[in-house]
Amino acid sequence: KQEVTQIPAALSVPEGENLVLNCSFTDSAIYNLQWFRQDPGKGLTSLLLIQSSQREQTSGRLNASLDKSSGRSTLYIAASQPGDSATYLCALTGGGNKLTFGTGTQLKVEL
Amino acid sequence: DAGVTQSPTHLIKTRGQQVTLRCSPKSGHDTVSWYQQALGQGPQFIFQYYEEEERQRGNFPDRFSGHQFPNYSSELNVNALLLGDSALYLCASSFGGNYGYTFGSGTRLTVV
Repeated sequence: KQEVTQIPAALSVPEGENLVLNCSFTDSAIYNLQWFRQDPGKGLTSLLLIQSSQREQTSGRLNASLDKSSGRSTLYIAASQPGDSATYLCALTGGGNKLTFGTGTQLKVEL
Repeated sequence: DAGVTQSPTHLIKTRGQQVTLRCSPKSGHDTVSWYQQALGQGPQFIFQYYEEEERQRGNFPDRFSGHQFPNYSSELNVNALLLGDSALYLCASSFGGNYGYTFGSGTRLTVV
């Protein structure tokens, strides 16, 4: 059974800092890994999708990497802003098509 | 281009009642999945529909059922509601499940 862990569970940083969010998984036989952002009480917004043949994806200030052999993905946020405050979730698909989620990292960027 | 649309936004039901939640997928998507998210937790997979058939199911009781219509829209039905069914219900659509998922804003269900 695939298990997904995100560390840290919560993170508070001052505006402007670069930061890294971690996601680890137990079964390396994955198809896709997707990072999402969730604002309180809202739905999920897709940030980056990494397919199994890829090592990383970039969008603006965000960069996500995938290392299947070590069972890890990282989400790098450059020059953080208060508007980045949200919960960040990683999720992956394995043999089936369902997404298996981590429990998320709650990020707060302070002025 | 409309994204995933869910209705209603909020719902309050009494224990033992039945509820139906609705989802319209993003244009061009043919696969709809449903997830339950309890407070402070990651979403949990309920089931997925493709070509009007349930393709995969998570660890949820038979009280949870669904349907997909020819226009790819979907419904989630929950019978005999329990207090523990209170959660945010999320619908996600994709094209075959291979190119990432787009989520709706969710339906907040409260069972009292």
